[in-house]
Amino acid sequence: TQLLEQSPQFLSIQEGENLTVYCNSSSVFSSLQWYRQEPGEGPVLLVTVVTGGEVKKLKRLTFQFGDARKDSSLHITAAQTGDTGLYLCAGAGWGGTSYGKLTFGQGTILTVHP
Amino acid sequence: DAGITQSPRYKITETGRQVTLMCHQTWSHSYMFWYRQDLGHGLRLIYYSAAADITDKGEVPDGYVVSRSKTENFPLTLESATRSQTSVYFCASSLGTSGFEQYFGPGTRLTVT
Repeated sequence: TQLLEQSPQFLSIQEGENLTVYCNSSSVFSSLQWYRQEPGEGPVLLVTVVTGGEVKKLKRLTFQFGDARKDSSLHITAAQTGDTGLYLCAGAGWGGTSYGKLTFGQGTILTVHP
Repeated sequence: DAGITQSPRYKITETGRQVTLMCHQTWSHSYMFWYRQDLGHGLRLIYYSAAADITDKGEVPDGYVVSRSKTENFPLTLESATRSQTSVYFCASSLGTSGFEQYFGPGTRLTVT
C-alpha cells in the first residue's frame, strides 16, 4: 500500500510570510500532483510534476518533485489571504492495481491572516 | 462546457433508505472515481471505473454499489444508508494517461439521520 504523508497538518501564518508544505513517501511515484480545495468545493488541480528533480512555478507557488520521485514540496512566497485553503498532494502509481489511481496525502489546512 | 457535475448537492436521508448520488462528466474521460471526505481521514476512494462496464473496489467499498453503463455517468448507490455514511462525497474523472490528473466535481454533502 502506497502512503503519502503531508506536513504540517495545520499552518496558520500572517499575510506576507513564506511557507513550505511537504509530502513524503517511501514509495516511488510516476507523477505527483498538488490540489487546492476551498470550503464547499471539490479539489482543484494546481500542478503535475513528472520528472525527478523537476521544479515548476505558478506565480508565487513553487513545486518541486524529489530526485527519487518519493517526495515533493510546495513553497508559497509572500502568502496572501486568498491562499487560504486545504492543500492536497497526490501520487500516481506505476501500474498493476495502482494504475490510474491516485494516493492522496491527508492534506494541509493553510490559514493566512490579514 | 459543464465539465463534471454532481447531484444532488445536499441530501438528508434516514437510516435504512436507499440513496443514489449522480455524477456526470462531459469530457469523455475513461476513468471515474468516487471518494468520501471526512475530517481526519482525508479523501478515501470508494469505487473507481476504468471504462464503461468496468468497475473496481477502492479502499472503503462496503455498503456502496456503483454502475457505469455509459462513459459519462457514474452513479453511486448507498443500498441501506447508515449514519457512518454521513460524509461529503466527491466524484472525479481522469483521462487515465500521462500524469493521471483527476478533475473533481463540486461534491454532495450527505447526512444520514
